[in-house]
Parts: sequence; C-alpha cells; structure tokens
Amino acid sequence: GDSVTQMEGPVTLSEEAFLTINCTYTATGYPSLFWYVQYPGEGLQLLLKATKADDKGSNKGFEATYRKETTSFHLEKGSVQVSDSAVYFCALSFTGGGNKLTFGTGTQLKVEL
Amino acid sequence: DTGVSQNPRHKITKRGQNVTFRCDPISEHNRLYWYRQTLGQGPEFLTYFQNEAQLEKSRLLSDRFSAERPKGSFSTLEIQRTEQGDSAMYLCASSTYRGRGNTEAFFGQGTRLTVV
Repeated sequence: GDSVTQMEGPVTLSEEAFLTINCTYTATGYPSLFWYVQYPGEGLQLLLKATKADDKGSNKGFEATYRKETTSFHLEKGSVQVSDSAVYFCALSFTGGGNKLTFGTGTQLKVEL
Repeated sequence: DTGVSQNPRHKITKRGQNVTFRCDPISEHNRLYWYRQTLGQGPEFLTYFQNEAQLEKSRLLSDRFSAERPKGSFSTLEIQRTEQGDSAMYLCASSTYRGRGNTEAFFGQGTRLTVV
C-alpha cells in the first residue's frame, strides 16, 4: 500500500540555521503531497502542498519540491526561528481515494537560541 | 467560523466501557474524516463521510468501532467494549469536495482517549 517515510527526530537546530527534513513516498500513481505542522497544544495545520511533479509548495519561508524521479518531497527553510519548533508531518493523498491522507511518523523540530 | 471542534478533549475510561466522541466540522464542509494517532506515530485514517454517507472504512476500524454523520453535519465515533490498545488521540478533519478534488483539510485538536 501507499506509505510515507520521514527522517526520524528530534532535530535540534540553532536559530537561523538551515533546515532540511527528508520525506520519501511509495505509491501507485502520482499523489498530491503535503507538509502538515503541529505546534504544541494545537491541531494539525497544512503548511504547504504540491499536486504534480516539479511543483514547488511554499509558505512561511518553508519550501518543498515534488520530485517524481526520487519520489521525494523534502522540506527546507533557509533560516529557522524558535517559533518554528513543532512536529512536522509529510503526507500524501489521491483524489480517487477520497483524498484521505497517508502520513509519515512525524519529525520533531526544536529550535534553540 | 471557529474551525473543527471536537469533544471531549480528554476521556479516561475503564476497559470494557463504551465511549463516544463528537466532531463538529466547519459548517460548509461536506467531507468529514476520522483519524487515530498513537504516540510517536502519524495519524492513521479510520473512515470518512461525504455528507451523511460513509464512503470508506479502514481495516483498522474493527467491529467495535462505529461512526455516524446524521444529516451530514456533526459526526460521532463510538468505541464499544474499549481495550487498552484503543488508547490514542482521535482526530477529526473536514474539507469540501468539489468534483475534481478536495479543498484543504482542516483538523480539530483531537480527543485523547486513555483506557485504564
């Protein structure tokens, strides 16, 4: 079945450091890809998405590019802030599959001053 | 609009008891999803509705689980004869289906179930 694999956390960075969180997927066909973020005490929020190969999703300084060749959707940010500390989830869905989301296990990011 | 609302936020129950959770989606959303999240894992799909019709159920959803969405508005998820393995966060999400796919899915804050 479909699956998403994320790099394990926790990831600890200093403020203004560069962030990469790796995400690869296994799926039959070409899904839409998402990054969700969960801040402490809050619900999951959509961070960015891409619906077809070579699309780049971006939001709040975060970016991810849909790479069909490597079945990847790595999350990057050039300069993280303490307020970016959260758990990040990579996910996929298919329109024909009811748009239900298949999530990775999540990567906890902690940004320190 | 206050977003997706889930009640209760926390529930502690004894093994063997029945529990029911409620989800109130964003009012104009016609799709509603239930997920389960255990510690250190990502959410796992349980079931979803389009309006009042339950269109898919995961194999994770045993016979002890039942979900309803009467009148296509709020939804309830009931677990009968709870087991310790049912302890998890139960998440609800809603979105709008417009023929060629969904709008963004909005999640509630979840109901944390602890079975003792």
